Amino acid sequence: EDQVTQSPEALRLQEGESSSLNCSYTVSGLRGLFWYRQDPGKGPEFLFTLYSAGEEKEKERLKATLTKKESFLHITAPKPEDSATYLCAVSTGGGNKLTFGTGTQLKVEL
Amino acid sequence: NAGVTQTPKFQVLKTGQSMTLQCAQDMNHNSMYWYRQDPGMGLRLIYYSASEGTTDKGEVPNGYNVSRLNKREFSLRLESAAPSQTSVYFCASSTLTGRAYEQYFGPGTRLTVT
Repeated sequence: EDQVTQSPEALRLQEGESSSLNCSYTVSGLRGLFWYRQDPGKGPEFLFTLYSAGEEKEKERLKATLTKKESFLHITAPKPEDSATYLCAVSTGGGNKLTFGTGTQLKVEL
Repeated sequence: NAGVTQTPKFQVLKTGQSMTLQCAQDMNHNSMYWYRQDPGMGLRLIYYSASEGTTDKGEVPNGYNVSRLNKREFSLRLESAAPSQTSVYFCASSTLTGRAYEQYFGPGTRLTVT
């Protein structure tokens, strides 16, 4: 059974204080690892797809990396508008279904 | 281009009542999904439809039925609502990108069953 574990559950940063969120996974045959951002009261918003160990993707202050056992979402010099819950998910097998972690709730303060 | 839309946004039901949650997408995606999101549990798949005319059970299908009405629309029905079905429900659709399906989500329906 595919398992996805995200840590920490919650993270509080000062504006400009860089940090990383972790997503560790146990799957057989990874087809893709996904990062989403979810704001309160809204649906998850797609951020990145990573396919292979060593791959990296960047978008503004966010950079996602992938190894054979985990993925990191690095946040460089965060701003208050980066506050959200970040979700990690994996797809395996036929690739059509996702297994989600429970998310990391990030709060960036002035 | 509205993406994935869901109706209603909020709903309150009494135990035993029935209702249908509606979902539509305008991205020409083949696959559609229904999830529920509960505190501390993450997103859990209820049902999905890999293509028009097919539906399959996900992780938590009990108490729900689905209909893939056409390529655009995928509805979720609660025949006899229970308090355990109080949750936020998300619809998603997906497209094959590379070797995996990227899923795009709607804004959600917040359901309370009393």
